[in-house]
Amino acid sequence: GEDVEQSLFLSVREGDSSVINCTYTDSSSTYLYWYKQEPGAGLQLLTYIFSNMDMKQDQRLTVLLNKKDKHLSLRIADTQTGDSAIYFCAESLYNTDKLIFGTGTRLQVFP
Amino acid sequence: DVKVTQSSRYLVKRTGEKVFLECVQDMDHENMFWYRQDPGLGLRLIYFSYDVKMKEKGDIPEGYSVSREKKERFSLILESASTNQTSMYLCASIGGEDSSYEQYFGPGTRLTVT
Repeated sequence: GEDVEQSLFLSVREGDSSVINCTYTDSSSTYLYWYKQEPGAGLQLLTYIFSNMDMKQDQRLTVLLNKKDKHLSLRIADTQTGDSAIYFCAESLYNTDKLIFGTGTRLQVFP
Repeated sequence: DVKVTQSSRYLVKRTGEKVFLECVQDMDHENMFWYRQDPGLGLRLIYFSYDVKMKEKGDIPEGYSVSREKKERFSLILESASTNQTSMYLCASIGGEDSSYEQYFGPGTRLTVT
């Protein structure tokens, strides 16, 4: 079945880059997403990448997709304390709006 | 401004009670989803709906039911609440011409069953 995996925690110093990794199993994914969840809030869509792309950059965010290895990463440049949150990757399956979510990575940024 | 609202942010119910969680979206979206979020497990899909009066089971539908009588409203029902249904419940709405990225989540309802 479909499965999306992430590491549970990441701790970085303010100003450094953060890299959050995600692996997925379903090769029929069409889009892959990164969501951010701040404490007490719902999920906010940060960015997404179509499955035939290798990279997407959006200001401080860079998404890399290795389709052969089914590996997705989110790089946050110049990480700030406001970036502290839980980050979820998710994949959408072909011909459906159903999303499969990872377990979430809690990013902690310390000064 | 895009809005998905959920009826309660926090809810405390007793074991055996019938619980209704309401979700309303104002974007005329066709597709609506209910997830539960638990630490270390991420989001798991309970039920979803592609249209009024249509519903499909997600990955963990046991102990839940849903109702979609109007396009903008999708209700999650716990017929007889149990302690293992203590969780954060998130509603999502998806739609638009390119529905693969137009996705919006409500703020969540944290349900505690005692």
